[in-house]
Amino acid sequence: EVQLLESGGGMAPPGGSLTLSCAASGFTFSTYVMAWVRQTPGKGLEWVSGLGGSVAGSFYADSVRGRFTISRDNSDSKLFLQMDSLRDEDTAVYYCAKTEIAILPSAHWYFDLWGRGTLVTVSS
Amino acid sequence: AIRLTQSPSSISASPGDRVTITCRASQHISNFLAWYQQKPGKAPQLLIYSASTLRSGVPSRFSGSGSGTDFTLTITSLQSEDFATYYCQLSYNYPPEVSFGGGTKVEIK
Repeated sequence: EVQLLESGGGMAPPGGSLTLSCAASGFTFSTYVMAWVRQTPGKGLEWVSGLGGSVAGSFYADSVRGRFTISRDNSDSKLFLQMDSLRDEDTAVYYCAKTEIAILPSAHWYFDLWGRGTLVTVSS
Repeated sequence: AIRLTQSPSSISASPGDRVTITCRASQHISNFLAWYQQKPGKAPQLLIYSASTLRSGVPSRFSGSGSGTDFTLTITSLQSEDFATYYCQLSYNYPPEVSFGGGTKVEIK
């Protein structure tokens, strides 16, 4: 079955850290650009970060650049998001998402497969 | 940053109705726009990409149009399973600028 499954969400204090994981199955993970998208009731959907397949190329939203780090383990079909210096406004459901992009550069960042999401709550 | 403005924010409609949702970009984005459907408690699902290309498996009652700054999502003959929230999303330039509209909730009248 083609699917993405996130884990690692939970509660962290402001200034704290969390690492999210996304396990992919049912497709050739290493081929595609992958991304993290978050959703809050107040701000809606927000793209957070993206990472190329087997070729280097990581991208971040201005709101998280310098605090979050995206990485992947193609041998294990997993995507990660290391979140440091967390802020209250990082509270959200975080989705792992797949694009159809196999070769960068590309401007076609459409997300054709999403996980179920994992909730991150930043609170003291 | 390019802003996407969706309207209306909500629609009350009946099964069988035709529904149109608009998305306006604050600057020209060619056809780099997608539409998603999201149901409560679920992740968004891609319906249309490149403004007007229907994703495989999506019913033909969904269609997208537009280019430049103005885009529309149309649902002809609304079905019960179509009551959901719809989002537009732009993806422009490289490094990519990716952002979503504020959403349109389609509710049962």
